Formats: sequence, structure tokens, C-alpha cells
Amino acid sequence: DIQLTQSPASLSASPDEIVTITCQASQDIGSSLLWYQQKPGKSPQLLIYSATILADGVPSRFSGSRSGTQYSLKISRLQVEDIGTYYCLQVSSSPYTFGAGTKLELK
Amino acid sequence: QVQLKESGPGLVQPSQTLSLTCTVSGFSLTSYNVHWVRQPPGKGLEWMGRMRYNGDTSYNSALKSRLSISRDTSKNQVFLKMNSLQTDDTGTYYCTRAITTSHYFDYWGQGVMVTVSS
Repeated sequence: DIQLTQSPASLSASPDEIVTITCQASQDIGSSLLWYQQKPGKSPQLLIYSATILADGVPSRFSGSRSGTQYSLKISRLQVEDIGTYYCLQVSSSPYTFGAGTKLELK
Repeated sequence: QVQLKESGPGLVQPSQTLSLTCTVSGFSLTSYNVHWVRQPPGKGLEWMGRMRYNGDTSYNSALKSRLSISRDTSKNQVFLKMNSLQTDDTGTYYCTRAITTSHYFDYWGQGVMVTVSS
């Protein structure tokens, strides 16, 4: 099975800061990487698909990038409403796998 | 509009079988894949398995021996059955729709909380 190593596990940042979360895949998954945001008590919301494509309705301060088997989610200017837990998910091959999550809090 | 809704028992006894239903509307099960994802309290997301648009299924390796996913297209329902439940199967269970080409999960149900306890 493909493993996704997500880091950091938690992150504290101030409004307007730049935030970066990374996912390292255990093997080549191409661009088959998704990013989700989850708020407490809610279902996950899609942010990025195909590693770099912004989902409909997602603010442009979110962006995704890829370098080999390392994937990153960047929030260019953190807003209060961005607080939550972020997950990467590989959909290259079954069984699909999630990263362990990054809990983003306000400093 | 697209909707998915999970239903099932909130409480299951250890060693028993969990049966959940995902009822969908606004799209056809023969055009989209439906996945099941679960989340233990306070923990991360775990992919469980999927029902493809053509009826094929695939499962999480760790759950494969206990898990079965099926569907009834006439009722717009996808079913999850998992046997030999233990306390660490407690959590919120979600069904989610996936685009067959890009494979991203675009719509999610609200989730159903399942507690495994005697």
C-alpha cells in the first residue's frame, strides 16, 4: 500500500502568515493527490485536486504544488476561517490512503 | 442537488456486524463511484473502500477480511457491512461521491456516529 507521510502534525500560526503543509508519498503517485480541510463536527471539504488544481469556490490563497513525490499545500495569507485539520489523500491506486492530518491553530 | 446521507444503528455490540446505508440523490450510481471513509473520535480519516460506477469494489487492505460493500441502483443506495466489530471501530462513518476521471471526492454525507460497546 502507498503511504503518505504528512507534516507537521500540528501548526500554530498568526493571521496573514504563510502556512505550508507537506505530504511525502512512499512511491510515485503522479498528480493523484488531493487536499481536504476538515472543521470540527463537519465533513471534509475539497481544497485541491490533481495536486495543483484549486477546487471550485476555494479561495485563491490556497495552492498546491508537487516536487517528485513530495506535495505541498500553501496558504498564502492565513485567515481565521482557515483553522481546522488538513489531510492529504492519494487516489493513484487502491487502496487509497490519507495522510495523518495537520491540525492548524491560531497563534 | 447532489446529496448523500448515511444511516444505521448508533450502537453496535462487540463481535456483531455493522450495517450502514448511504442513500444518494441528484446523481446516478452508474455514473459515479461511492466511497466509505471513517474517523475514530479525535483521530484522522481512514479510507475503507469503494463501489465503482460499474459495480466493482475495492477495500482497505486492513479491513478487507471483514468488510463488504454492495449497492441497489434502483433504490439509489450503497451498503456497507463490516463484521466482528471491536471498540476501535467506534467512530463517524462517511460516504462520499467520487468523480470517475479525476477520482476526487466532491460531495460527502454528514456522517453517522457508530459506537461499539456492550
